[in-house]
Amino acid sequence: DTEVTQTPKHLVMGMTNKKSLKCEQHMGHRAMYWYKQKAKKPPELMFVYSYEKLSINESVPSRFSPECPNSSLLNLHLHALQPEDSALYLCASSQDGGGRDTEAFFGQGTRLTVV
Amino acid sequence: SQQGEEDPQALSIQEGENATMNCSYKTSINNLQWYRQNSGRGLVHLILIRSNEREKHSGRLRVTLDTSKKSSSLLITASRAADTASYFCVPTGSNSGYALNFGKGTSLLVTP
Repeated sequence: DTEVTQTPKHLVMGMTNKKSLKCEQHMGHRAMYWYKQKAKKPPELMFVYSYEKLSINESVPSRFSPECPNSSLLNLHLHALQPEDSALYLCASSQDGGGRDTEAFFGQGTRLTVV
Repeated sequence: SQQGEEDPQALSIQEGENATMNCSYKTSINNLQWYRQNSGRGLVHLILIRSNEREKHSGRLRVTLDTSKKSSSLLITASRAADTASYFCVPTGSNSGYALNFGKGTSLLVTP
């Protein structure tokens, strides 16, 4: 199984809502990533978890809150988002060495629209 | 952490032709990876080349790496319409931590 599964595929939320994005992998990978991608732009790294600990936070606003409850799951909790946060959110995972030495596997993403 | 700079930003060719895209980076690396993203939004890993390798092949893909020039190239031979996608190079080094940073990419259009 070389899949990274993201749910939901699409999400529309109001600016006062609280929602969560979920990501799951069963490849035994110990590094997991969240990216944000706007239309016609490259993916921007948001967070990296290594062995369930947050290792990189790329100065992301606190309205985005990541969580890694176990080695297979990664969540992104959303609260009080702005319309400019509308984007494709991608999750990825890679083996122990992180992205330095091995390939990363990406999910299909969650298309988020904030209204 | 660093990201690669792909060139050209856009490339249009016909089916059957070869496509070459280049990547430059700034600091020393452990390896360099190429990824593809099509309009269906999935990002897929294509190939990883280590800093002590000069060339690597995978099917119709050929990647070269010149660490003295801090550059890499991706050659796709006998292109197909299905190769239409954005291509990204991702250099990683000891100072990258676990970061995988993407540059602007090369947008490849292959027309029938």
